[in-house]
Amino acid sequence: IAGITQAPTSQILAAGRRMTLRCTQDMRHNAMYWYRQDLGLGLRLIHYSNTAGTTGKGEVPDGYSVSRANTDDFPLTLASAVPSQTSVYFCASSETGEQYGYTFGSGTRLTVV
Amino acid sequence: GQNIDQPTEMTATEGAIVQINCTYQTSGFNGLFWYQQHAGEAPTFLSYNVLDGLEEKGRFSSFLSRSKGYSYLLLKELQMKDSASYLCAVMDSNYQLIWGAGTKLIIKP
Repeated sequence: IAGITQAPTSQILAAGRRMTLRCTQDMRHNAMYWYRQDLGLGLRLIHYSNTAGTTGKGEVPDGYSVSRANTDDFPLTLASAVPSQTSVYFCASSETGEQYGYTFGSGTRLTVV
Repeated sequence: GQNIDQPTEMTATEGAIVQINCTYQTSGFNGLFWYQQHAGEAPTFLSYNVLDGLEEKGRFSSFLSRSKGYSYLLLKELQMKDSASYLCAVMDSNYQLIWGAGTKLIIKP
């Protein structure tokens, strides 16, 4: 099934621990994105990648890092989790051409305690 | 700064029509998107407007006025399954999507 796969679906994480959220797409999209979604705040961009080998910072990058070693994978790492990183994380990808919009993964619900 | 405004919540009756408004102020404009998001699920693409006017797609229509920084999503013949959040997003000059906080639509029988 073509689309974006995120893992894990949900996770409870102790503060201070390191965590990597996985994201894989099979649509050969060039651009990929990581968002967090919090109640009342909408989707906020954490990091993005316009093509394999390049990454950029979004609106809320602090405490997060990404890599884009190939077209398909775009993992998001929390080096040392804090409770304020409790959120739902969505990975998305898009084709070249603005009219296509974004395709989203099913999300990872992360709770940092 | 960049800003997308939409109502937090709306209520409508099954079978009726509802209009969800979105106003925006962004650095540049490369199109406006509407997404639907059911509770606990990912957003899914509904529509894209880049030119002024109305785009119709079945029961859903989306309107854009670039000079007014305004869009609306019109949902006709409402069904219970239309209960969801509707997200307005604008693509800015860097081709990044700027998102509104979403409008939660509640459909009552």
